Amino acid sequence: NAGVTQTPKFQVLKTGQSMTLQCAQDMNHEYMSWYRQDPGMGLRLIHYSVGAGITDQGEVPNGYNVSRSTTEDFPLRLLSAAPSQTSVYFCASSYYGTSTDTQYFGPGTRLTVL
Amino acid sequence: GDSVTQMEGPVTLSEEAFLTINCTYTATGYPSLFWYVQYPGEGLQLLLKATKADDKGSNKGFEATYRKETTSFHLEKGSVQVSDSAVYFCALSTTSGGSYIPTFGRGTSLIVHP
Repeated sequence: NAGVTQTPKFQVLKTGQSMTLQCAQDMNHEYMSWYRQDPGMGLRLIHYSVGAGITDQGEVPNGYNVSRSTTEDFPLRLLSAAPSQTSVYFCASSYYGTSTDTQYFGPGTRLTVL
Repeated sequence: GDSVTQMEGPVTLSEEAFLTINCTYTATGYPSLFWYVQYPGEGLQLLLKATKADDKGSNKGFEATYRKETTSFHLEKGSVQVSDSAVYFCALSTTSGGSYIPTFGRGTSLIVHP
């Protein structure tokens, strides 16, 4: 049971480039989400999904796109990278997305945009 | 909207000292409350949680009690170890209009010296 996996661990992009951050979980969780972590800001929710085929915006969705074609995978796409998107990105999942659920986090992707 | 306020760090202690990290919240409805811990270079992992007022969450010697009257969920440990050095996040989650919205505090760094 690998839990939540993320790739890559590190990435450097130039302004304007696009890329996809991968996230997968093998716990059959319905709810998946993406956060960014910036110094002094805690975690901020980017997008989330309550099941395959269903996605919604979080607190800071601009510049990011998601899709959920399977229960296991929830990729995050940066459409045109900007320096303001330099951050550490965490994917998380939970069973049903109810308020009592524990979230399980991946190890993170550290992204630098030059 | 919902918010979580936790004490700023870093908190620096000697081994075997008593630890308190304060956390207060603002939320509509009846949130669940969580403490997550992040060790260097890793993702967040659940430390403990409480899902209703007066519940006490506990794990690995850490405790926190859900106090509705003071809207608080302070984290305590009687005797810290060097291995407890990490960043601690207080979080709440509510379900609003069918959507599950988690909110994180900014994190408190704990440094424990031998």
